Amino acid sequence: GAGVSQTPSNKVTEKGKYVELRCDPISGHTALYWYRQSLGQGPEFLIYFQGTGAADDSGLPNDRFFAVRPEGSVSTLKIQRTERGDSAVYLCASSRGRETEAFFGQGTRLTVV
Amino acid sequence: KQEVTQIPAALSVPEGENLVLNCSFTDSAIYNLQWFRQDPGKGLTSLLLIQSSQREQTSGRLNASLDKSSGRSTLYIAASQPGDSATYLCAVRRETSGSRLTFGEGTQLTVNP
Repeated sequence: GAGVSQTPSNKVTEKGKYVELRCDPISGHTALYWYRQSLGQGPEFLIYFQGTGAADDSGLPNDRFFAVRPEGSVSTLKIQRTERGDSAVYLCASSRGRETEAFFGQGTRLTVV
Repeated sequence: KQEVTQIPAALSVPEGENLVLNCSFTDSAIYNLQWFRQDPGKGLTSLLLIQSSQREQTSGRLNASLDKSSGRSTLYIAASQPGDSATYLCAVRRETSGSRLTFGEGTQLTVNP
């Protein structure tokens, strides 16, 4: 596609529920990143994929967070047993290579009530 | 650990003014630096990417400079317009951290007509 696409744009869920957030990167981009942004702050790194594998998952806050990219294109960020502190905007980005310009999607605003 | 600081946190100027946004980073071993723009409730739009070997990059009314040894970058906006109102974020990619971007907290710019 023309840009990075994220769905849904908004997600409201109850505390304790499971959620999945989807990212469609720019076609041909091998690198894919997930970030989390709280209000008034810069994005914080969660995980980076090069192809199908997670090259760096050191930003995932705990084992409730998991992400996959099974075919090297679309990625899904999965959050189990959601907590109110998980409420944030989750941003996905892709780039042609690991050190080239990164392009971001519009984000998914997650609200845990 | 890489830390990125942006000064000022907020800036309000009249239309037509030239302005400078500042970004500093603690670890000068960076691969590149990227400036982004973020409109309220939206994702990040890439403005300029400067490689560590470059001193500056220009795009239209925007000029970004990089002084890697002193850990500083500036974003110069010429002849500001109300449509430039947004939050501006800088992010650095370290040489040895793989591919993650480390962001500052941003400068919120308001250009008044």
